[in-house]
Amino acid sequence: IAGITQAPTSQILAAGRRMTLRCTQDMRHNAMYWYRQDLGLGLRLIHYSNTAGTTGKGEVPDGYSVSRANTDDFPLTLASAVPSQTSVYFCASRIKGDAGELFFGEGSRLTVL
Amino acid sequence: AQSVTQLGSHVSVSEGALVLLRCNYSSSVPPYLFWYVQYPNQGLQLLLKYTTGATLVKGINGFEAEFKKSETSFHLTKPSAHMSDAAEYFCAVRSPSGSARQLTFGSGTQLTVLP
Repeated sequence: IAGITQAPTSQILAAGRRMTLRCTQDMRHNAMYWYRQDLGLGLRLIHYSNTAGTTGKGEVPDGYSVSRANTDDFPLTLASAVPSQTSVYFCASRIKGDAGELFFGEGSRLTVL
Repeated sequence: AQSVTQLGSHVSVSEGALVLLRCNYSSSVPPYLFWYVQYPNQGLQLLLKYTTGATLVKGINGFEAEFKKSETSFHLTKPSAHMSDAAEYFCAVRSPSGSARQLTFGSGTQLTVLP
């Protein structure tokens, strides 16, 4: 089935631990994004990548890192998790073109204790 | 800089009643505008978008939105609500120019449909 796959779907993590959220797309979209969703705040952009080999910082990048070694994969890493990173994380990719819509994965729910 | 304001974090309507979800934006240039819907425990999916041309845009599931430049608004409507419309709705804006061109989302409106 074409689309975006995120893993894990849910994770409980101790503070201070390292965690990588995986995102894979099979639509050959150039642009990919990581958002976090928090109640009352909507979606906020963490990091993005316009094409393989390049990444950029979004609105809330602190404490997160990304890499884009190829077109399909865009992992998000929390080097040392903190409770404020408890959130639902969504990966998305975009059809080519300025007005192209975003396609979203089903999210990864992360709880940091 | 661009921003989006969704008036009303929660909206309740009766089944069969008009749905009106409000969205106002700020942008230095006429933007691209989007409405996304999120059903429980799912990712967001596109309802409709405005880029250029006709200001009344029709989307999926009977929803439509009208771009009003003078009011900087892009309100979402549906003539008759259905129980299956219960979800969270997000308005989003993207500037057509600039190096980043990232989507900025509103804080969302939770729609409840009452039987």
